[in-house]
Amino acid sequence: ETGVTQTPRHLVMGMTNKKSLKCEQHLGHNAMYWYKQSAKKPLELMFVYSLEERVENNSVPSRFSPECPNSSHLFLHLHTLQPEDSALYLCASSQAQSSYNSPLHFGNGTRLTVT
Amino acid sequence: QQPVQSPQAVILREGEDAVINCSSSKALYSVHWYRQKHGEAPVFLMILLKGGEQKGHEKISASFNEKKQQSSLYLTASQLSYSGTYFCGTPPFGYKLSFGAGTTVTVRA
Repeated sequence: ETGVTQTPRHLVMGMTNKKSLKCEQHLGHNAMYWYKQSAKKPLELMFVYSLEERVENNSVPSRFSPECPNSSHLFLHLHTLQPEDSALYLCASSQAQSSYNSPLHFGNGTRLTVT
Repeated sequence: QQPVQSPQAVILREGEDAVINCSSSKALYSVHWYRQKHGEAPVFLMILLKGGEQKGHEKISASFNEKKQQSSLYLTASQLSYSGTYFCGTPPFGYKLSFGAGTTVTVRA
């Protein structure tokens, strides 16, 4: 058990659909992250929340909308996505507010396919 | 700026050794190493915080050369369980942990 749970594991959606990805961490961490993992590309940081406040937004298109209602839960709301948004979306959490010396704990990811 | 990893892939027989390198064009203050098996989440291996620091995880060890702005991961006497993709992560500052493209390691019996 990783301590970070993501649902659903797989999601297929059309370009006009609206869906949400969910992440829950049971580790008592105070920072949560969304990463995008595409084939043959480095992990891309999308959003960071620390103490439920967004502290980082890496120029992500507005069709991705994050929400962090509390320190244990993180959502990624999706609408009008493009086929190039198909990827593995990974949620992670960490103890400290800085990634300098705090390891990331990842969930198993949601495999998203946009048709 | 994302770190550069080399090689992109390596194939080993059980018991063989391998080295994975991670280099940055910017000053490094720490380096993270993670391993991801197919269909699974990346798993944290170790963090190196000081130049010259070396750490170990099972028979996997790493070194950090702050001056050269690089880190190396050493797989010693590889086992089948070492197969996966290894990522280095470099946090130049704040939250921006940038990952390398990964090195795929395949260990064969």
